[in-house]
Amino acid sequence: GQNIDQPTEMTATEGAIVQINCTYQTSGFNGLFWYQQHAGEAPTFLSYNVLDGLEEKGRFSSFLSRSKGYSYLLLKELQMKDSASYLCAVNQAGTALIFGKGTTLSVSS
Amino acid sequence: GAVVSQHPSWVICKSGTSVKIECRSLDFQATTMFWYRQFPKQSLMLMATSNEGSKATYEQGVEKDKFLINHASLTLSTLTVTSAHPEDSSFYICSARDNTASDTQYFGPGTRLTVL
Repeated sequence: GQNIDQPTEMTATEGAIVQINCTYQTSGFNGLFWYQQHAGEAPTFLSYNVLDGLEEKGRFSSFLSRSKGYSYLLLKELQMKDSASYLCAVNQAGTALIFGKGTTLSVSS
Repeated sequence: GAVVSQHPSWVICKSGTSVKIECRSLDFQATTMFWYRQFPKQSLMLMATSNEGSKATYEQGVEKDKFLINHASLTLSTLTVTSAHPEDSSFYICSARDNTASDTQYFGPGTRLTVL
């Protein structure tokens, strides 16, 4: 079956670094996406990985290991505005993205 | 990133009426769009896949006669909630897949529907 797991909640303080993990078991794989969703708003695209390794984009980085079915999103220099849900999603080519249930990150001062 | 618009952003209607929500990809063509529903503090729930020029594919448990989807062009999909009831009140979000950008799905801003 299809399964994407991520922690339900995480907390961190301003200026810190946080890593949000995602493990997946899907029948197909054609890339992994990370989205950010603030309360009451739609998700916004953060990153995409299709090959193993680290993709860096400013304060955010995303890592993928296809052999381990594992990805993480790394957020550096945390700011209060980073408090949001972070969604891991797997692309299976030709179908809708399969989303995890999301990780709610709370950043405190 | 690409831009997807959704209209209206919020709507309040009486029970029994129908509501149409539009989803447009503004700077790319989308042969495939998706409609999701999200209840407070819950994850996204895929309702249906909208394919340009063909019938939508509905997820299990989603009534196709109640949630009518039309994908009339490569930049527009519409979702009509027919005979709305209070339990249909939710946050409806569309996304459009950009085939030229690794199949990235870009989301519209969402439509908050309240049925009285």
